Amino acid sequence: KQEVTQIPAALSVPEGENLVLNCSFTDSAIYNLQWFRQDPGKGLTSLLLIQSSQREQTSGRLNASLDKSSGRSTLYIAASQPGDSATYLCAAGFQKLVFGTGTRLLVSP
Amino acid sequence: SAVISQKPSRDICQRGTSLTIQCQVDSQVTMMFWYRQQPGQSLTLIATANQGSEATYESGFVIDKFPISRPNLTFSTLTVSNMSPEDSSIYLCSVEGTVGNTIYFGEGSWLTVV
Repeated sequence: KQEVTQIPAALSVPEGENLVLNCSFTDSAIYNLQWFRQDPGKGLTSLLLIQSSQREQTSGRLNASLDKSSGRSTLYIAASQPGDSATYLCAAGFQKLVFGTGTRLLVSP
Repeated sequence: SAVISQKPSRDICQRGTSLTIQCQVDSQVTMMFWYRQQPGQSLTLIATANQGSEATYESGFVIDKFPISRPNLTFSTLTVSNMSPEDSSIYLCSVEGTVGNTIYFGEGSWLTVV
């Protein structure tokens, strides 16, 4: 059974810092790894999808990598902004997703 | 991409009552997925809804408590039956996009049971 964990649970940084969010999964035979953003009281916004055959994806200031052999994915956020403050969730699977516990990010002006 | 609309967005419900949540997608999709997010926790898959067949429930979730309908390829409903305070959660509908494997979510329905 796939289990997904995220470290750290919470992170507070000043504006402008580069930061890395970590996601670990137990079953390396994952199909896809997807990163989401969730604002308080809201649904999920898809950020990046890494398919099983890929190693990384980039969108603007975001870069996500996938290392199946080590069971890890990282989300790199460059030049963080207060608007990046949200909970970031990673999820593994194909159509049916197993979610991590989330990292709550606060970027201070 | 896929645009998903959910109703209601929020509701306060009395213990023992039932509430039906609607999910509308802007394109035809084969499968729709229902998740629950309890306060302070991550998302857990409740069931998969296929058009023309019964929903498939995950371990710990049963049809009597969470009946699902899927009358066509763009619409589904999830009913939370005989609610208790433990059912206070955000309920989210999701689908796979028409291009690639990206999964998209609705805004969620935030239920509080009192």
